[in-house]
Amino acid sequence: DTAVSQTPKYLVTQMGNDKSIKCEQNLGHDTMYWYKQDSKKFLKIMFSYNNKELIINETVPNRFSPKSPDKAHLNLHINSLELGDSAVYFCASSRTGAGTGELFFGEGSRLTVL
Amino acid sequence: LAKTTQPISMDSYEGQEVNITCSHNNIATNDYITWYQQFPSQGPRFIIQGYKTKVTNEVASLFIPADRKSSTLSLPRVSLSDTAVYYCLVVPYSGNTPLVFGKGTRLSVIA
Repeated sequence: DTAVSQTPKYLVTQMGNDKSIKCEQNLGHDTMYWYKQDSKKFLKIMFSYNNKELIINETVPNRFSPKSPDKAHLNLHINSLELGDSAVYFCASSRTGAGTGELFFGEGSRLTVL
Repeated sequence: LAKTTQPISMDSYEGQEVNITCSHNNIATNDYITWYQQFPSQGPRFIIQGYKTKVTNEVASLFIPADRKSSTLSLPRVSLSDTAVYYCLVVPYSGNTPLVFGKGTRLSVIA
């Protein structure tokens, strides 16, 4: 049973296309996140959702639109893909509350924009 | 959020104990120190978290001096499979604050 699962694991597409990455967690957590890890391996927070509500949007272009249909799912839709969007995107989840430094990450979705 | 500083890379032979030190001079009273491990092509994995003194689990030990301005992650008897990037983070005790990852320490274990 995978705690945080992302699909697809690999995605190769052309510039200008629109694509989505799905994320599901079966841990019963209230908070979910999207992180981006670029070629230099920096891991940066993009979005954070708590109980389906957006609570963090870290200056991400509005071509990126997260959608949370329920607490267990946080999908990432990207419009008009650009070369610089090539990266590994990680979904994560955590409990809500004080001192919760433990995030559970998915295995990542490697996006390559040609 | 307190900034952390850790070595960019470290090498070790199998069977040795590895200590990775992290500096966090601006740590706040309510901040916790948390370490993550990331293997190639995988997401980061929580290893250990502590507030002061020493914390030990089945994976590692975390040593935190009284002033809490630094911490040391200790991996006993490393094996090749411990080759990974190790991230030190300072986490506010306030909930819902997204974790900010630095560059981490790339540990290479050599046979």
